[in-house]
Amino acid sequence: QSALAQPPSASGSPGQSVTISCTGTSGDVGGYKHVSWIQQQPGKAPKLIIFEVSQRPSGVPDRFSASKSGNTASLTISGLQAEDEADYYCTSYAGSNTYLFGPGTKVTVL
Amino acid sequence: QVQFVQSGAEVKKPGASVKVSCKASGYNFARFIIQWVRQAPEQGLEWMGWINAGNGNSKSSQRFQGRVIFSMDASATTVYMELSSLKFEDTAVYYCARGFSFDYWGQGTLVTVSS
Repeated sequence: QSALAQPPSASGSPGQSVTISCTGTSGDVGGYKHVSWIQQQPGKAPKLIIFEVSQRPSGVPDRFSASKSGNTASLTISGLQAEDEADYYCTSYAGSNTYLFGPGTKVTVL
Repeated sequence: QVQFVQSGAEVKKPGASVKVSCKASGYNFARFIIQWVRQAPEQGLEWMGWINAGNGNSKSSQRFQGRVIFSMDASATTVYMELSSLKFEDTAVYYCARGFSFDYWGQGTLVTVSS
């Protein structure tokens, strides 16, 4: 299995938007609905912010949105806030009861 | 509320085994798989495998096949991850998480492999 591809870093000023991509293949991101985005703030346990490509769990602000086109999933953070500074990981079901994580994207709020 | 409480930090020598526990509460334990994910120092998340809390079936990543065993005690709503033949590079924080979407996570268990 190949890893999912994410940019290592992204940044924006408070109030701006930032979009992170997660590129896989038809055998993972492109083929299934179980694509999630995980936020990990410094020193904390990971937290789910998006599931099933574009669904937000209750309690997650609506400035987090996500979509998928072909083999690429995308996470957009609108109205960037200081507390959004974190590492963001995509994860996808990859067939045969296996899962993959992307390498993570460090989001910096300037 | 859904909660996962993991066992405490461990220090092991190379070649030894470690068993990490993850106690679930706040939901119907048997309805979900429990996933295991690890994170080496300053590294990203790595999927290790899952156990079906309803029937005990499990699946592990090829990277760990032959070295990892997932088990559970349904009466205690607890799952376990045992990793054997430990190497220095197995030093990591090990997390349990719920379901296909990793919707709730444990606090993590630091396993240090050191001689």
